[in-house]
Amino acid sequence: NAGVTQTPKFRILKIGQSMTLQCTQDMNHNYMYWYRQDPGMGLKLIYYSVGAGITDKGEVPNGYNVSRSTTEDFPLRLELAAPSQTSVYFCASSREGSGNQPQHFGDGTRLSIL
Amino acid sequence: GNSVTQMEGPVTLSEEAFLTINCTYTATGYPSLFWYVQYPGEGLQLLLKATKADDKGSNKGFEATYRKETTSFHLEKGSVQVSDSAVYFCALSRAGGGADGLTFGKGTHLIIQP
Repeated sequence: NAGVTQTPKFRILKIGQSMTLQCTQDMNHNYMYWYRQDPGMGLKLIYYSVGAGITDKGEVPNGYNVSRSTTEDFPLRLELAAPSQTSVYFCASSREGSGNQPQHFGDGTRLSIL
Repeated sequence: GNSVTQMEGPVTLSEEAFLTINCTYTATGYPSLFWYVQYPGEGLQLLLKATKADDKGSNKGFEATYRKETTSFHLEKGSVQVSDSAVYFCALSRAGGGADGLTFGKGTHLIIQP
């Protein structure tokens, strides 16, 4: 059972570069989320999706974009990397809205912007 | 808006000690409450949850009771083990089980010494 899979696990970018963080889930969950985790802080929601073709902004969306063309995949794109985007990124999914069903998390992508 | 406050860490205990990690929240209505655990290098895993006042969530010897009158959801375990060393996050979802993700506390790093 793969669950939620994130790639890559680690990445170093230069300021101004772009990249896509990949996330895929095999549980047929409608709801998917992207969070960032900064040292000593809880997770902050970047974007979420309630189904294919539907996305919405979370608490900290600036500098990021997402798409949801299939139920399984929810990639996160950084267009112009900035040092403030150095963080650990987690993708999660759930069968229903977060109050009723637990969220299942991937192992994270550790991203450094230098 | 919603917020979660946890006790600051790290919390260092000896094996077989009693554990309490305090969590209080601010939210309108009746949110669902969660404890997640994060082991080194991994994503978050649901530990337990409670969806209404006076509910007790329990799992792996951990317990937490949803206290509406004190807006608290403290995590307890009677006898901790070295394998319980991890970061613990208290979280809530907005009342009604919204689709827009969870609100997390900053996390409490627990260290159990043999």
